Amino acid sequence: EVKLVESGGGLVQPGRSLKLSCAASGFSFNDYWMGWVRQAPGKGLEWIGEINQDSSTINYTPSLKDKFTISRDNAQNTLYLQMSKLGSEDTAIYYCARDYRDFDYWGQGVMVTVSS
Amino acid sequence: DIQMTQSPSSMSASLGDTVTITCLASQDIGNYLSWYQQKPGKSPKLMIYGATNLEDGVPSRFSGSRSGSDYSLTINSLGYDDEGIYHCHQYYEYPYTFGAGTKLELK
Repeated sequence: EVKLVESGGGLVQPGRSLKLSCAASGFSFNDYWMGWVRQAPGKGLEWIGEINQDSSTINYTPSLKDKFTISRDNAQNTLYLQMSKLGSEDTAIYYCARDYRDFDYWGQGVMVTVSS
Repeated sequence: DIQMTQSPSSMSASLGDTVTITCLASQDIGNYLSWYQQKPGKSPKLMIYGATNLEDGVPSRFSGSRSGSDYSLTINSLGYDDEGIYHCHQYYEYPYTFGAGTKLELK
C-alpha cells in the first residue's frame, strides 16, 4: 500500500524557518518524481514544486523559489521541504504527493501556522 | 504562468442529476489536465488524468472531456458521496497551476 506521511509542521514565528518531511512507503521511492502542494485555509490548491528521481531537476513556482527548497533522500525514502523567511501568507496545509499520472497519491497533509 | 479559469465556483444539484464543471486554459496544455476531488479535511484524490482517463477505482459515472482549451468534468447519476470540492490542474508547463475549485453540494 502506498503511504505518504508528512511531519514537521506546527506554529512558527514570522521570519523563521521550518523543514517538513514526507516519509514514503509501499512503492519504489527512487523511481518517481515527488512534489509539494499547499492549501491556505479556505483557499484552493497551490503547486509549490517537484523534484525528479535523482534530484538533478527541481522545479518551483516562481514566487516561492527563493524561500523554499525541495530535496530528497532516496536511501531514507523521504522527501523534504525547507521553508525560510516565513510569513503569514505561508500559513497552510502542506501536502506531499507522488507524481506519476499527475499526483496520484497524496499524504494526509501537515499544518503550518506562521504567527507571533 | 498558465491560468486555469474554473467554473462555476459553486453549485448545488439533486440526487441523480448530471453536472458539468469546466476549466479554461489560458494557453495550450494539450491533454495535460487532471481533475481532483477533495472532501472536507481530506487530501485531494485524483479522479481524471490526461483530460479523459479515469483513475483506477474511480466510478465510471465520472468522465472528462476536452474541446479546444475547454476541459470538462462530468458526473452522471449524482450521489451524496460526490459532494466536495473539485479542482482542475494543468501539468503541461511549469509552474503547474490549479483552478480555483468548484464546490459541489447536493440539495
